[in-house]
Amino acid sequence: DIQMTQSPSSLSASVGAKVTITCQASQDISYYLNWYQQKPGKAPELLIYDASNLETGVPSRFSGSGSGTDFTFTISSLQPEDIATYYCQHYDNLPYTFGQGTKLEIK
Amino acid sequence: QVQLQESGPGLVKPSQTLSLTCTVSGGSISSGSYYWSWIRQPAGKGLEWIGRIYTNGSTKYNPSLKSRVTISLDTSKNQLSLKLSSVTAADTAVYYCARDLVDIPMDVWGKGTTVTVSS
Repeated sequence: DIQMTQSPSSLSASVGAKVTITCQASQDISYYLNWYQQKPGKAPELLIYDASNLETGVPSRFSGSGSGTDFTFTISSLQPEDIATYYCQHYDNLPYTFGQGTKLEIK
Repeated sequence: QVQLQESGPGLVKPSQTLSLTCTVSGGSISSGSYYWSWIRQPAGKGLEWIGRIYTNGSTKYNPSLKSRVTISLDTSKNQLSLKLSSVTAADTAVYYCARDLVDIPMDVWGKGTTVTVSS
């Protein structure tokens, strides 16, 4: 199975700040990567697919980049409603696997 | 737009079989090039992909659960189902179903249903 390693595991930032989360795959996954947002008690919501494509309806302050084994997820200006846990997930092959998550809090 | 809703018993005894249903609305479960996945999440922990089924009924399972999992479709009811046998406390989790587009997996999720394994 491909291992997905996210960092940091938790992050505290101020409203308006730029936030960056990284995800590293244990082998080359090309661009086959999703980023999800999960708010407490809710299902994950797809934000980014194919590493850098914004899902329809997702605010443009969210972005993703990378290919191969190293990926980055960015929130350009943190808003209070962005408080959540963020997960990366590969789909290069089966089984799909997820990163362990990054819990984002407001400072 | 398509919506998914999981349902099933919230409590299952150890060694028994967990059975869940996911009802799809807003579209046919058997039309288009879709897969349908099950994912689970123990409380306070990360996400684990369980397996998926294609519209023609072909399945793929996570090797970690393969010996205990069965996913099936009921096209007459527009539902997919999950059966997990010989459950233990480690199977206690929120279980989600999700739609997989051919090129974008798990783009739409159900709200999830909590299953507790306890005697």
